Amino acid sequence: GAGVSQTPSNKVTEKGKYVELRCDPISGHTALYWYRQSLGQGPEFLIYFQGTGAADDSGLPNDRFFAVRPEGSVSTLKIQRTERGDSAVYLCASSKGLNNEQFFGPGTRLTVL
Amino acid sequence: AQSVTQPDIHITVSEGASLELRCNYSYGATPYLFWYVQSPGQGLQLLLKYFSGDTLVQGIKGFEAEFKRSQSSFNLRKPSVHWSDAAEYFCAVGPPTSGTYKYIFGTGTRLKVLA
Repeated sequence: GAGVSQTPSNKVTEKGKYVELRCDPISGHTALYWYRQSLGQGPEFLIYFQGTGAADDSGLPNDRFFAVRPEGSVSTLKIQRTERGDSAVYLCASSKGLNNEQFFGPGTRLTVL
Repeated sequence: AQSVTQPDIHITVSEGASLELRCNYSYGATPYLFWYVQSPGQGLQLLLKYFSGDTLVQGIKGFEAEFKRSQSSFNLRKPSVHWSDAAEYFCAVGPPTSGTYKYIFGTGTRLKVLA
């Protein structure tokens, strides 16, 4: 079956612009995670959704970052007023629930010029 | 503070040799432990996980890992490495203590396999 998909695969934007990154999880997976992976680092937790609600957003670095999952399936990570330090690969993962195997998408590489 | 340490940034082994990748963690309670592999152009894939019970866990692709509570370690092993094992390996701990669902990943170990 289809895995986790993320669009776009690459996004280049200018400092100060707004971007949206999309994640399509595996059908039926209620849990969804967003991570950020900088060069030479492991994935850094951003936010966890259980269904439509954000159960834990403690990893969002500041209020420029926001994520939604309005129907409990597709999720969008939104970054306002982008900064060069936001450049990274943004990963999405989904699972059947907490403590179940996370299936990762290929990521969106964000470059802020 | 919760943390995961992978002390080896790079490891090079010859094909057919044995492999051990180190992982140490700091966590307030008995953690759940994971190893993931990330191949070039591929997403992260779960190799194995430890929740409880037998401290030696078997995973996919011939990998195994041993949980040692006294050493706060969860080292990954493979008896005979194949060229296709060249990739980056991440140890992770999670999930929640009360009030958090945060998974914490190490910085990764990049494995190179010599023919």
